[in-house]
Amino acid sequence: QTVVTQEPSLTVSPGGTVTLTCASSTGAVTSGYYPNWFQQKPGQGPRALIYSTSNKHSWTPARFSGSLLGGKAALTLSGVQPEDEAEYYCLLYYGGARVFGGGTKLTVL
Amino acid sequence: EVQLVESGGGLVQPGGSLRLSCAASGFTFSGYWMHWVRQAPGKGLVWVSRISDDGSSTSYADSVKGRFTISRDNAKNTLYLQMNSLRAEDTAVYYCARDFRYSSGWCFGDNWGQGTLVTVSS
Repeated sequence: QTVVTQEPSLTVSPGGTVTLTCASSTGAVTSGYYPNWFQQKPGQGPRALIYSTSNKHSWTPARFSGSLLGGKAALTLSGVQPEDEAEYYCLLYYGGARVFGGGTKLTVL
Repeated sequence: EVQLVESGGGLVQPGGSLRLSCAASGFTFSGYWMHWVRQAPGKGLVWVSRISDDGSSTSYADSVKGRFTISRDNAKNTLYLQMNSLRAEDTAVYYCARDFRYSSGWCFGDNWGQGTLVTVSS
C-alpha cells in the first residue's frame, strides 16, 4: 500500500518562510507524480493551490510556490500571513490512482 | 461557473447501502476524469475512487475495493458512487472532484463542492 508522508505540523512566524514536503513510500518524487497541493481551513472544503509540481491557479497568492526538493515535492510559503494558518495536503499520481498525504497543520505564531 | 454539487448522504446502518450523486455544471463533464474523495471527522483527505472521462476505466482505494462502485452518466452530467457493505469507518464527508490532463501535466480538484456527509452507525 502506497503511503504519502507529510510533516504532521509546522510553526512559522508571520513574515517568515516555511517549506512543507511530500514524500512517497515508493521512492523519490519526480514530476511524473504530478504533485498537487491543497489548503483547507476549519469548516471549509479544500482549495487547490498548486498543480503539476509548480503551476499556480489564478487564485493562488504569489507567496506560495511548488517545487521538487531532495526527492520530495515541496510547497514553500514566503512572507507568511496570519491567514495562511491552515491544513495543507499534497496529492500524488500513481497511474490511475491518486494518494493524498496525511496533511501538515501549519501554525502561524 | 464550474459547480459540483454532491448529494445522497445520510445515516445508514452498518452493512447497509447508499448511493451518492455529484451534479456537475459549468464545464464539459464528458471531458474530465472524475474522483470521489472523503474526509472522516477531524481527519485528512483520502482518495476513494476515480473514473475516466468515458467511463471505461475505474480505480479504487484498497479500503473500498469490492464494496464501492463508481459510475457516471455523461448525458446527465452526473457522477455516482454506489456504496455497499458500509462500515463505521466509512463515516465521512464525501466530495467529488474533477481531474484533467493538459499539455504538460495533470490538474486535480480545481473546484470542490460542499460535500455530502455519510454516517454509518446503528
